[in-house]
Amino acid sequence: DQQVKQNSPSLSVQEGRISILNCDYTNSMFDYFLWYKKYPAEGPTFLISISSIKDKNEDGRFTVFLNKSAKHLSLHIVPSQPGDSAVYFCAARRTDSWGKLQFGAGTQVVVTP
Amino acid sequence: EAGVAQSPRYKIIEKRQSVAFWCNPISGHATLYWYQQILGQGPKLLIQFQNNGVVDDSQLPKDRFSAERLKGVDSTLKIQPAKLEDSAVYLCASSLDRTSGGGLDTQYFGPGTRLTVL
Repeated sequence: DQQVKQNSPSLSVQEGRISILNCDYTNSMFDYFLWYKKYPAEGPTFLISISSIKDKNEDGRFTVFLNKSAKHLSLHIVPSQPGDSAVYFCAARRTDSWGKLQFGAGTQVVVTP
Repeated sequence: EAGVAQSPRYKIIEKRQSVAFWCNPISGHATLYWYQQILGQGPKLLIQFQNNGVVDDSQLPKDRFSAERLKGVDSTLKIQPAKLEDSAVYLCASSLDRTSGGGLDTQYFGPGTRLTVL
């Protein structure tokens, strides 16, 4: 069963504009959420995370928003840069399952000049 | 600091053959994970080690897949016999300590091994 869903397989955005990636989850027991970024032929790299006790976490150009009532989180990238072109995975974890991440299918982001 | 190392990077085999993948985690990382990523999907956890003990292998197809982590460092994942549906990228990840949570639990991934079963 797919407990973490990224319904947009791809996103194209102009350089300098905002990229918004969305993620929905079904398991209310998830309490920690992460975003990973993946370039071709490389493994995913950790980008940013958020605990369920927060609704926003910011790190430079990257901000993650969490709406627990809607079971929805989003990643904002402002401003988007060509180097941001990659696949972005949303992942979620339960407190009683340390380390076991459930991943979404990913969103391919292409930043155009 | 060296990252997670994996080998080989690519492997092509015929169905019913066996194959093994190797992973060397980041030095000092107690927790090691093997994931399977099928094309178009996110990574799926196969097995998780804490030092040299298995803590979660609930999604490992044990009739054909096996994994070990000798001396709590390097790990190997084996498939015998391989099926067509095993074609995927096999990712190894490690984290400092899964029991700590937060930043210490951040998983660092290797580049993966792309397996093609013909």
